[in-house]
Amino acid sequence: LAKTTQPISMDSYEGQEVNITCSHNNIATNDYITWYQQFPSQGPRFIIQGYKTKVTNEVASLFIPADRKSSTLSLPRVSLSDTAVYYCLVGDNTGNTGKLIFGQGTTLQVKP
Amino acid sequence: KAGVTQTPRYLIKTRGQQVTLSCSPISGHRSVSWYQQTPGQGLQFLFEYFSETQRNKGNFPGRFSGRQFSNSRSEMNVSTLELGDSALYLCASSDPGDEETQYFGPGTRLLVL
Repeated sequence: LAKTTQPISMDSYEGQEVNITCSHNNIATNDYITWYQQFPSQGPRFIIQGYKTKVTNEVASLFIPADRKSSTLSLPRVSLSDTAVYYCLVGDNTGNTGKLIFGQGTTLQVKP
Repeated sequence: KAGVTQTPRYLIKTRGQQVTLSCSPISGHRSVSWYQQTPGQGLQFLFEYFSETQRNKGNFPGRFSGRQFSNSRSEMNVSTLELGDSALYLCASSDPGDEETQYFGPGTRLLVL
């Protein structure tokens, strides 16, 4: 499974747009990029998933360049409740593995 | 649909004891994965069950075991508890063929004294 690298922590202020970049140089052809969000003492929550270009849902956008060696999770107009750990995962959606490899994640602190 | 549920939510045990944790997946989900989360090691994959069979296993000692029932509910067992087993144990379920999208339960917080 491809290894991912993302910043350990980030600070932002309410109302700002936050972009968290994840590096995955060894991503394989069949790999998808998935982001999860985790609040303290809760299980991770699926945010968004993509394969290439741009994906947008009601929560976030995911930008993936053509070489797919990195991806950027974009959170528009964050609020205090967006303070959480964000994990970037890369894996094969067709592998029937049921195994997610979590890195350290990025701790996002949103300030008033 | 109801989400993934885990019982109990909190548990205190002493070294040497054994513990069983339970997980009920989202209705229709047949894959159940278990994870251990600690401050030092982060989120680590324990094992995954699909159709009552263990399909994947992480790098944990044999003291950690699990099983899945015909209704997809799953249990994990830890025998001969050690202090280092204190952690948040998370269960997640997913649709067949979409295992990258997992739905996590609230977890069971285990404290070993």
